[in-house]
Amino acid sequence: EAQVTQNPRYLITVTGKKLTVTCSQNMNHEYMSWYRQDPGLGLRQIYYSMNVEVTDKGDVPEGYKVSRKEKRNFPLILESPSPNQTSLYFCASSLSSGAGNEQFFGPGTRLTVL
Amino acid sequence: GQSLEQPSEVTAVEGAIVQINCTYQTSGFYGLSWYQQHDGGAPTFLSYNGLDGLEETGRFSSFLSRSDSYGYLLLQELQMKDSASYFCAVSPYGQNFVFGPGTRLSVLP
Repeated sequence: EAQVTQNPRYLITVTGKKLTVTCSQNMNHEYMSWYRQDPGLGLRQIYYSMNVEVTDKGDVPEGYKVSRKEKRNFPLILESPSPNQTSLYFCASSLSSGAGNEQFFGPGTRLTVL
Repeated sequence: GQSLEQPSEVTAVEGAIVQINCTYQTSGFYGLSWYQQHDGGAPTFLSYNGLDGLEETGRFSSFLSRSDSYGYLLLQELQMKDSASYFCAVSPYGQNFVFGPGTRLSVLP
């Protein structure tokens, strides 16, 4: 089954404790992206990766890191989480960049930072 | 900067037609797409307009006017399952994505 998987689905942590949210897709997509979703703000892009060679910042990259060592995986790293990073996070992938390419979203990771 | 505006909420009755508008201000433009998100779920792609005009996919249609920086999603023959949030999105530089704040559609029996 073609899908984007994320783990964990739910995470409660404390300020400053490093964490990684994994993202994997099995559709051989070039483009991968991370979003956070907060009430009333829609989806805001954190980082995106055009391919394994190119990764760039989205609108809200502060406090996050990403890695694209292989095509299928795109982990999101919070080195020192803070309460304002409490949010719902989505990973997405598509064949290529651009609004005309359907983005497939993972199920989401609900993160709470205490 | 980039910004998209959508109404926050829309309510309609089953069987009716509803239009969800989206206006955008972006430094670049490579088309407008629409996504649907049910409560507790992930966004799913609905449609894309790269050129001016109407695109139809079943009960859903999407329209774009680049000269007006405006688009809309039209949902016909509304069903209860259409109750969801709807987001417009642009890719200003063909690489990044910017989503609108979303419109919550409630379909009443």
